[in-house]
Amino acid sequence: DVKVTQSSRYLVKRTGEKVFLECVQDMDHENMFWYRQDPGLGLRLIYFSYDVKMKEKGDIPEGYSVSREKKERFSLILESASTNQTSMYLCASSPSWGAGVSYGAYNEQFFGPGTRLTVL
Amino acid sequence: AQSVTQPDIHITVSEGASLELRCNYSYGATPYLFWYVQSPGQGLQLLLKYFSGDTLVQGIKGFEAEFKRSQSSFNLRKPSVHWSDAAEYFCAVGARQAGTALIFGKGTTLSVSS
Repeated sequence: DVKVTQSSRYLVKRTGEKVFLECVQDMDHENMFWYRQDPGLGLRLIYFSYDVKMKEKGDIPEGYSVSREKKERFSLILESASTNQTSMYLCASSPSWGAGVSYGAYNEQFFGPGTRLTVL
Repeated sequence: AQSVTQPDIHITVSEGASLELRCNYSYGATPYLFWYVQSPGQGLQLLLKYFSGDTLVQGIKGFEAEFKRSQSSFNLRKPSVHWSDAAEYFCAVGARQAGTALIFGKGTTLSVSS
C-alpha cells in the first residue's frame, strides 16, 4: 500500500514563528503536493513538485515556501506564521505517467492524514 | 483552465436509502475524474476514478459514478447508504496537460439519519 506520512497530526505555533511541515511517501512517486483545507473552501493547492528540487506554485502560495531535496520528502515552510494560516494541511503524492513535467501531475493522488495547525 | 462544481454543500439521507452526489466539471476535452471520501479528522481516500472507456465506473465501498460528457457531469451513486458512509465527499478533475495538478470541488458533506 502507498503510504504518505506527515510529521505531526496536531501542531500549535505562535505568530511569527517559522514552521516546518514534513511529508514523506514510500512509493517512489514523482509528484508531491501540499494543500490547505478550510471549511467551505475545499482543498486549495499551495505548491506541488514534479521532481527533486523542482516546484510549481499552486493557487495560494503566498506566505509559504517548499523544499524537496529528496524524492520521498516534501516540506512546507511557513516563514513567519500568521493566524490566518491556521488550517488543516494535507500532503499528497502521485506517480507520473512518464518522465518530467511534460506528462503532468494529474494522476490519482494519495493523501496523508493531515496536520491541523493552529497559530496563536 | 478546468474547474469543478459540487452544487450540494450538505445532504442528509436515511440509512438504506439511495444516494446521488452531483459533480459538474468544466474542461474543453475529456478530463480525468475522481471521487474521494474524507472521514472526520482523516486524509482523503480514493473511491473511484475515470480515465477513459466505460462511462460507468465501479469503486470501493459499493460506490459507482457515471461520466456523462453531454452534461459535463460525474455523479456519484450508491444504492443503499450505511451509517458509516457519513463523511465529506470531494470530486476532482485533472486536465490532460503538462504542469497541472488536480482541481478539487469544495466538497459535499453527507449525513446519514437512522
